[in-house]
Amino acid sequence: GAGVSQSPSNKVTEKGKDVELRCDPISGHTALYWYRQRLGQGLEFLIYFQGNSAPDKSGLPSDRFSAERTGESVSTLTIQRTQQEDSAVYLCASSLGGANTGELFFGEGSRLTVL
Amino acid sequence: AQTVTQSQPEMSVQEAETVTLSCTYDTSENNYYLFWYKQPPSRQMILVIRQEAYKQQNATENRFSVNFQKAAKSFSLKISDSQLGDTAMYFCAALDSGGGADGLTFGKGTHLIIQP
Repeated sequence: GAGVSQSPSNKVTEKGKDVELRCDPISGHTALYWYRQRLGQGLEFLIYFQGNSAPDKSGLPSDRFSAERTGESVSTLTIQRTQQEDSAVYLCASSLGGANTGELFFGEGSRLTVL
Repeated sequence: AQTVTQSQPEMSVQEAETVTLSCTYDTSENNYYLFWYKQPPSRQMILVIRQEAYKQQNATENRFSVNFQKAAKSFSLKISDSQLGDTAMYFCAALDSGGGADGLTFGKGTHLIIQP
């Protein structure tokens, strides 16, 4: 498709389990972002990939969170040993070059519920 | 990095009215970018309008316009002739010219409800 695609759309898991969230950016977009959005809150930056540069991991809240991206393709956000506080919508966005090109294109997010 | 403040958690207006959403920001940069994003119930964030700080002219996109006051560090969004489809969360965001993810900061959002 032409837009940013995220899967799964919804994920319910038990506390302590690991989850993987996938983001397929727009073809040709070198920059990819992960954000977390708790219910009724704004966007919390998690991690940023730009081309083949080392990712900016400064927003990851703990070592249970990690993300990978191969080249300029799909990215996977992994949350290990999930906690109830991890319940949120995880949004992925991509853009041409850096964010200063103007527009981030967002996916519809993955809603994670940790029971 | 910047701070972005949206002081209105929720607003409600009647269809066809004009509504203004406020946003203030704080940055030490001289060149930066400001954005308004819309997040409807489908969750997908969509860029509404963009302003470059070095441009004095206020950006306009159809029914959407901004009132950019650089000295006051204010960047409000005006929606004219509001429509039911405008119901959404609206996020103000600021980006310094250095780019990168750390330079992009979002406000906490304003939930706009358009009443029929």
